[in-house]
Amino acid sequence: ILNVEQSPQSLHVQEGDSTNFTCSFPSSNFYALHWYRWETAKSPEALFVMTLNGDEKKKGRISATLNTKEGYSYLYIKGSQPEDSATYLCAFVYGGYQKVTFGTGTKLQVIP
Amino acid sequence: NAGVTQTPKFQVLKTGQSMTLQCAQDMNHEYMSWYRQDPGMGLRLIHYSVGAGITDQGEVPNGYNVSRSTTEDFPLRLLSAAPSQTSVYFCASSYQGSGANVLTFGAGSRLTVL
Repeated sequence: ILNVEQSPQSLHVQEGDSTNFTCSFPSSNFYALHWYRWETAKSPEALFVMTLNGDEKKKGRISATLNTKEGYSYLYIKGSQPEDSATYLCAFVYGGYQKVTFGTGTKLQVIP
Repeated sequence: NAGVTQTPKFQVLKTGQSMTLQCAQDMNHEYMSWYRQDPGMGLRLIHYSVGAGITDQGEVPNGYNVSRSTTEDFPLRLLSAAPSQTSVYFCASSYQGSGANVLTFGAGSRLTVL
């Protein structure tokens, strides 16, 4: 069983603050790294798919970076809004594409 | 286009009972998988399938069976339920042509075993 770690476990920020989370994963057998956004009472939805070392992805105020050699990815949220409140999951894809191991998530609460 | 449909949404079982969680997708996805979600544990892979007739074990397969007779359906069977199987179960699928196995999730099934 692979170890995919996310930090911090939870985070409370004020509206307008910028924040970032970390996902650490094994540096071998890498296929892809995903970020998912999981709102309460809903299902996880894919935010970013990252496949190459040095990848940077951006969607509005949210961006992510990837370092496969050292085994980490960062998710950044600029100017947090209450609607950003959710749990953010990273998922390490390996074994070709067939196996996916999720981190335990970072729960973000943005206080208006 | 319904996406990934899971039934039932809620189920209560007694220890030793059997049941099947149903998962169906209408997106012609080759890959389907089952996860369980427990507090503090994140999503853990139970079983997965890369196509009809092909299944394999994930991280936590004990106590669960699967089969994949069609592209659309991937049921998860609990043959003799145990309280340790109390969890929320998610089915997910993906299209390999998109690369990188990006998952589309169902709404989840909450199972309680007494």
